[in-house]
Amino acid sequence: GQQVMQIPQYQHVQEGEDFTTYCNSSTTLSNIQWYKQRPGGHPVFLIQLVKSGEVKKQKRLTFQFGEAKKNSSLHITATQTTDVGTYFCAGRSGGSYIPTFGRGTSLIVHP
Amino acid sequence: NAGVTQTPKFRVLKTGQSMTLLCAQDMNHEYMYWYRQDPGMGLRLIHYSVGEGTTAKGEVPDGYNVSRLKKQNFLLGLESAAPSQTSVYFCASSTGQGYNYGYTFGSGTRLTVV
Repeated sequence: GQQVMQIPQYQHVQEGEDFTTYCNSSTTLSNIQWYKQRPGGHPVFLIQLVKSGEVKKQKRLTFQFGEAKKNSSLHITATQTTDVGTYFCAGRSGGSYIPTFGRGTSLIVHP
Repeated sequence: NAGVTQTPKFRVLKTGQSMTLLCAQDMNHEYMYWYRQDPGMGLRLIHYSVGEGTTAKGEVPDGYNVSRLKKQNFLLGLESAAPSQTSVYFCASSTGQGYNYGYTFGSGTRLTVV
């Protein structure tokens, strides 16, 4: 079945440094979503990418969808302590309504 | 507009006991889901429903049952709890209209089976 691999599992950064998490699928995706989960909280939907090569920005966050629609990335510029949490990607392939979640990347920001 | 509400928020069960987790959404969403989250394992789908009266198995359905008698409610049952079911359980819902929909998650139920 479809697999979605997310790396790295953990990332420690100093406040102000940049951060990137990568999501790779074993199959071509119809779309990919990104979620953020704060410590002790629940996942919150951030964005969905649909088109090949699509790039979307939300303030300091930049989301990319690969040309082959098999990979995606989330980049945070100049991290802040409020960025702490686990970032999940979730990809849909074929005609499936149900996305497959990656295992997440936990971001730890040191002040 | 409360979104997705899960009850209870915390529960401790003894092995072999049964319980039901309730999920309620007020967004008129067609699709509802139950996930479990364990350290390092991400979110794993237990069961889901694409509409009132329908349910389907997800990735890890064993030991759980679900029911969707009303569109707004999705119940997750544990008939005979086991320590391996200690986890954080999240309910989620989505519109199901086309592919342009993100999940709305509830705040979770932290379950410990001793």
